[in-house]
Amino acid sequence: DVKVTQSSRYLVKRTGEKVFLECVQDMDHENMFWYRQDPGLGLRLIYFSYDVKMKEKGDIPEGYSVSREKKERFSLILESASTNQTSMYLCASSLGGSHSNQPQHFGDGTRLSIL
Amino acid sequence: GDSVTQMEGPVTLSEEAFLTINCTYTATGYPSLFWYVQYPGEGLQLLLKATKADDKGSNKGFEATYRKETTSFHLEKGSVQVSDSAVYFCALKRGATNKLIFGTGTLLAVQP
Repeated sequence: DVKVTQSSRYLVKRTGEKVFLECVQDMDHENMFWYRQDPGLGLRLIYFSYDVKMKEKGDIPEGYSVSREKKERFSLILESASTNQTSMYLCASSLGGSHSNQPQHFGDGTRLSIL
Repeated sequence: GDSVTQMEGPVTLSEEAFLTINCTYTATGYPSLFWYVQYPGEGLQLLLKATKADDKGSNKGFEATYRKETTSFHLEKGSVQVSDSAVYFCALKRGATNKLIFGTGTLLAVQP
């Protein structure tokens, strides 16, 4: 089974801090994604990556950056955390290329609170 | 742009009741359609999918048929169980892109 592991289930940080959320997948997937999930808004794509060192903005990239130095790891960075970034963050991965209809596999999420 | 619209929840049913969760979409071309389920405290899991018109996806007693004429992908189950209580998300993926567009999710609560 594919396993997507997010480093923290719960995280509390302060306004202005630089915050790192880590995600690791063990199935050699090319694609990795970061979403945020908010009540009434569903999941919104922040960033995704289709290869090492490659990244592309999603629908709501403002205030975030990402890093993919190794194929199995995709990090989400909040450069200067703000209270409106309090949310549930979900990481996902999937096969790429000709496997475009393969599903995305999700981690269990990180509930981030910015005080 | 592409979008997915789901019926708002919560949907509250008694065990063994029939379930329908409506999902309609707006997209150019021929998207693939998915239903994901999120159990309490967990991430999303793929429930079923359909990649072309008239395809029926099915899994764990759930079904959904890709209806291009009505741009719909409604989720149905004949007899729900308490263990089906979760949030259900409809999603689409257009062509060869790797990005999913999600609906807002529908909370299902099944009572014994």
